[in-house]
Formats: sequence, structure tokens, C-alpha cells
Amino acid sequence: AQRVTQPEKLLSVFKGAPVELKCNYSYSGSPELFWYVQYSRQRLQLLLRHISRESIKGFTADLNKGETSFHLKKPFAQEEDSAMYYCALRWVDSNYQLIWGAGTKLIIKP
Amino acid sequence: DTGVSQDPRHKITKRGQNVTFRCDPISEHNRLYWYRQTLGQGPEFLTYFQNEAQLEKSRLLSDRFSAERPKGSFSTLEIQRTEQGDSAMYLCASSLGTSFGTQYFGPGTRLLVL
Repeated sequence: AQRVTQPEKLLSVFKGAPVELKCNYSYSGSPELFWYVQYSRQRLQLLLRHISRESIKGFTADLNKGETSFHLKKPFAQEEDSAMYYCALRWVDSNYQLIWGAGTKLIIKP
Repeated sequence: DTGVSQDPRHKITKRGQNVTFRCDPISEHNRLYWYRQTLGQGPEFLTYFQNEAQLEKSRLLSDRFSAERPKGSFSTLEIQRTEQGDSAMYLCASSLGTSFGTQYFGPGTRLLVL
């Protein structure tokens, strides 16, 4: 069965430090991977998706099929990055439903 | 259009009562999804509509749960004979009918069953 694992429930880093939020998945085919973010008191929103190969708010994520990972990275954390981050997977024939990780709470310390 | 809306935002009910939640998707979106999220977990898929057709239901969706999207616009999720284990955040999302359509989420309805 498809699964998404985010091994860290909480990640705390200082402002200006690099950030890496880990996401591993299990799926034998070609998945679509997403990162969603939820800021305090706001709804879930898409941060980025692997097919777009773009950088949003300084974040990037590369799909590594060999390691089945889709880690989210930012070289210099900012206080406004503090939020819950969820990794999600969508696969062929899924009717576009998403399978989600449990989320990582990112706290950026001043 | 202000995005996906859900009503009510909060619901407290007693065990055994029925509850109904409403979701209004972004107007041009033909796909609509319901998810459930419990504390410390990511969302879990419940069901999916394309226009008015309910195309998929999760095993999580017991017989007490029913969802409708009668005119292919808004959707309702009803839980009959609520149980304490139904306490969760119920999320609705919508997307355009393309392979890469981004899912846009509503603010959720938080249900507490006493």
C-alpha cells in the first residue's frame, strides 16, 4: 500500500539556518509528490509540487526515486516559515486522492 | 470567489445525534474531496466526487457516513448516530478536472462528539 512518512513531528531551527523537512514514500510506480503548508489559523495550501520544479518562498524539493524521498529544503529559514508542513502523494489510478504524511511542525527561533 | 467554504466551522454534538456538514467548492471546480484529520495526523481521504458522481469511497467511510453532491456544486457530508471516535476536523477540497489539478482546501469543520 502507498504510504508517506515524515519522521520528524517537530523541527526547531534558528532564523537564518538551513532547513530540511524529510519525506519518504512507499510506492512502486511513478508518484506525484506535493508539499502543503498550514500556517497558524489558516487553511491547508499547496506549497509546491515536484512536477513544477519550482521554488516557492525559497523552498525547493527534489524527487529522489532511488531513495523514495521528497525532502523540502530552504537554505536560510525565516520566522514566517513557522508552520505545519505536510508531504502528500498521488498515484496513477488514485482518482486524484492524496495520501498524507503526519506532518512536521517547523518552529523558527529568532 | 473567496475559495472553498465550509459550514459550520465548529460543531459540538452528543453521541448518537446526526450531523451534517456543507462544503461549497470553488465555482468552476468539478472535483470535490472530503478528508478527515485527527490530532497529530495528516488528512485521511474519505470520498471523492466528479461533478455529481461519487466515484470513490474510503473504507474509513462506514455506513453511518454519507456524502452527496446533488447538482455538482456544493456537497454535504452526513454522519448518523455519531460516536466519540468521529471527533475530528473534516476537510473539503476542490480541484479542476485535469490530471494535475491542485486541490484547494476549505477551513474545515471541527466536530466534537461528547
